[in-house]
Amino acid sequence: GENVEQHPSTLSVQEGDSAVIKCTYSDSASNYFPWYKQELGKRPQLIIDIRSNVGEKKDQRIAVTLNKTAKHFSLHITETQPEDSAVYFCAASIRTSGTYKYIFGTGTRLKVLA
Amino acid sequence: DTAVSQTPKYLVTQMGNDKSIKCEQNLGHDTMYWYKQDSKKFLKIMFSYNNKELIINETVPNRFSPKSPDKAHLNLHINSLELGDSAVYFCASSQDTGTGWSRWPLHFGNGTRLTVT
Repeated sequence: GENVEQHPSTLSVQEGDSAVIKCTYSDSASNYFPWYKQELGKRPQLIIDIRSNVGEKKDQRIAVTLNKTAKHFSLHITETQPEDSAVYFCAASIRTSGTYKYIFGTGTRLKVLA
Repeated sequence: DTAVSQTPKYLVTQMGNDKSIKCEQNLGHDTMYWYKQDSKKFLKIMFSYNNKELIINETVPNRFSPKSPDKAHLNLHINSLELGDSAVYFCASSQDTGTGWSRWPLHFGNGTRLTVT
């Protein structure tokens, strides 16, 4: 089936702490997993992505890990700052009818408390 | 120099009306999409076009009709608007590898907030 589960739906952390968001996908053929950040009233913007031939990718305070066997991937934000507060979406590319589409998780609202 | 631009930003209309949303991308991408984001923030794909050809058509009422005059433009026309159509509609584009197997990110427009009263 076409499904991407995302947890938690809301997450509050103190400034400086780490935040972890987890996603699980159902299509074992999925090979691309982007993460998007959406600030209030704005468009989703790509913050990091990972392809299936890699287990981990890091970009400054943000990292993503992928476990293909378990079909789950996670976003890790370290040293959180108030400007990290937003809704975060994971996504997975799903093969369908000779083409592909992106299925999004249900989003995680992250609040970083100063 | 907006990469994916859509108009209008806000659209307020009454039930039963017909309205259109326009989208243009200047990234040279081959594939364009329409996504709907409801009040719970769920992002759901509606349509996808590759080089003007419809390639994905999710279970969307046929009151919604996309049109792609060229690969840089994808418009969405909605007939007989209903209250449940109220949402934010995002246009997006992505590069296409030509293999049909995606490893490229989506670039979203700023969204059109549609309110049906």
